[in-house]
Amino acid sequence: GAGVSQSPSNKVTEKGKDVELRCDPISGHTALYWYRQRLGQGLEFLIYFQGNSAPDKSGLPSDRFSAERTGESVSTLTIQRTQQEDSAVYLCASSLTSGRYNEQFFGPGTRLTVL
Amino acid sequence: DAKTTQPPSMDCAEGRAANLPCNHSTISGNEYVYWYRQIHSQGPQYIIHGLKNNETNEMASLIITEDRKSSTLILPHATLRDTAVYYCIVRATNNAGNMLTFGGGTRLMVKP
Repeated sequence: GAGVSQSPSNKVTEKGKDVELRCDPISGHTALYWYRQRLGQGLEFLIYFQGNSAPDKSGLPSDRFSAERTGESVSTLTIQRTQQEDSAVYLCASSLTSGRYNEQFFGPGTRLTVL
Repeated sequence: DAKTTQPPSMDCAEGRAANLPCNHSTISGNEYVYWYRQIHSQGPQYIIHGLKNNETNEMASLIITEDRKSSTLILPHATLRDTAVYYCIVRATNNAGNMLTFGGGTRLMVKP
């Protein structure tokens, strides 16, 4: 079946521009997560959505980062006024519920390069 | 979440068992041990998880010591496609968001 998809797969932008990254979770998955992975490092949690509850934004590094989710479907991560330190792979994951037993399914990521 | 310690890299011969250790000496009684792996240029992939009993699935086995302070992920017959970074993660029960805290992981290189 279809897994988590993300677009674009690669994005090159200039410093100061805004970018929007898209995630399509697995159908029926109520929980959705965004992570960031810098080169050679582990994943950093950014934000998580669970159903219609208010999102947990505790991992967002600055107010330039925001995310939205339409119901239990598509999510977009927006980075405003991009900086070079924003260069990373942005990974989206979804799971059936946010309970601790449920594995997360990851998308292939969007590689963002800020020049 | 409890911190985990893993060796940064390991080699394994193709067809042999790969044993990946993880120390989690500060784990508390209600925390689970999860293993994920990340193949180059892909998102992480769930492998297995456990609380205190040993677990086995189609991908791997997880051996957790009696005191739960360490665990070992075993890939019984490693193939070249198992070359990846393997992450050991411990999750707290009050981690309501289910977000995963990844450390540096172990880079496993399976060699022919």
